[in-house]
Amino acid sequence: EIVMTQSPATLSVSPGERATLSCRASRSLDSNLAWYQQKPGQAPRLLIYRTSTRATGIPARFSGSGSGTEFTLTISSLQSEDFAVYYCQQYNNWPLTFGGGTKVEI
Amino acid sequence: EVQLVESGGGLVQPGRSLRLSCTSSGFTFGDRAVSWVRQAPGKGLEWVGLIRSSAYDGTTEYGASVNGRFTISRDDSKGIAYLQLNSLKTEDTAVYYCSRGGDGGSLNWFDPWGQGTLVTVSS
Repeated sequence: EIVMTQSPATLSVSPGERATLSCRASRSLDSNLAWYQQKPGQAPRLLIYRTSTRATGIPARFSGSGSGTEFTLTISSLQSEDFAVYYCQQYNNWPLTFGGGTKVEI
Repeated sequence: EVQLVESGGGLVQPGRSLRLSCTSSGFTFGDRAVSWVRQAPGKGLEWVGLIRSSAYDGTTEYGASVNGRFTISRDDSKGIAYLQLNSLKTEDTAVYYCSRGGDGGSLNWFDPWGQGTLVTVSS
């Protein structure tokens, strides 16, 4: 099983600041990584797939990068609606696995 | 609009069974895989399993923690996927989400997700 490790567990930032979230895989994923956003009481929402492709309707302030085992989600200028938990997910191998999440808080 | 709606959750005793449904709309259900993902209270996301499309014979994959106890099936004529949960344990307590997968063999991302249905396993 590929283990996904996200850091930090909690990220404290102010509106308008840049946020950088990390995701590390225990084995190479090529580019088979996705990112999701989850707000309290809501289902997760797809943000990014194939490491860097934004899903439909996702603002340009969200960007993904990386390859192999190291990946990054960057939010260029945090808006109030971006405070949430973010998960990475690998789909390179079975079983599909998620990281433990990064909570972005004020 | 592509939509998935889960139903069938509730309170169940340990050792008993439950069947969840995932009803789709807005896309050709039979062409896509469907995954189930769960989230225990206050915890992260755990992939439960997947059923491929009929083009891939509707074969399934499961996570290790549920393999042998949970079964995923689908009825393409109704646009519904099912998750049969057997021999339930207290640690299966979670919100269960269904999500649409890809149209291939289906190592894929999940989009969209349903709103989830809560399963509580307790005596």
